[in-house]
Amino acid sequence: EDQVTQSPEALRLQEGESSSLNCSYTVSGLRGLFWYRQDPGKGPEFLFTLYSAGEEKEKERLKATLTKKESFLHITAPKPEDSATYLCAVPGDLNTGNQFYFGTGTSLTVIP
Amino acid sequence: DAGVIQSPRHEVTEMGQEVTLRCKPISGHNSLFWYRQTMMRGLELLIYFNNNVPIDDSGMPEDRFSAKMPNASFSTLKIQPSEPRDSAVYFCASSLGTQYNEQFFGPGTRLTVL
Repeated sequence: EDQVTQSPEALRLQEGESSSLNCSYTVSGLRGLFWYRQDPGKGPEFLFTLYSAGEEKEKERLKATLTKKESFLHITAPKPEDSATYLCAVPGDLNTGNQFYFGTGTSLTVIP
Repeated sequence: DAGVIQSPRHEVTEMGQEVTLRCKPISGHNSLFWYRQTMMRGLELLIYFNNNVPIDDSGMPEDRFSAKMPNASFSTLKIQPSEPRDSAVYFCASSLGTQYNEQFFGPGTRLTVL
């Protein structure tokens, strides 16, 4: 069973067109939900960690929110340099030991 | 300050050969992770070390894969013998603390097994 599911798989936005990316999770006893950004040919780069429902974090044009079943990454007035793949990840629950699960990501393209 | 260093950046080998990937974590970090990324399966955790000790290797696909961390500044991931289905990008990451902390990723090693 997938622990983390992201949608959409791909998203094309015009510069300035705000939107949201979704990450739903099934682990119980959430011990953090992580957002990473990955540029082509590079390793993922950390963006945010959220720990409890209702928590929000912001960084420039990005805002991450968390509910009991999902997280959203809101992108406000995106710019072409925001184009990347956005990954979310969660530690496994107590039954899965010390595993760490990444979603398959949302590939964002921002068109000038 | 240097980030996570991986070598080689690219490796092309033939089926049946031994492959060794290397990683130097960020100085002072006490957790190290090896991941594999493919188009089909995304980013998968292979093994997690804390204070040089393997904590979870449940993601290692089979006995052909092995990983070591002889000291705090060096780790290897070995595949012997390699198979075409091992072709992927392998990332090493390190963190200060555990898997519940921010992980810093290296640039990855792109492995192609012919």
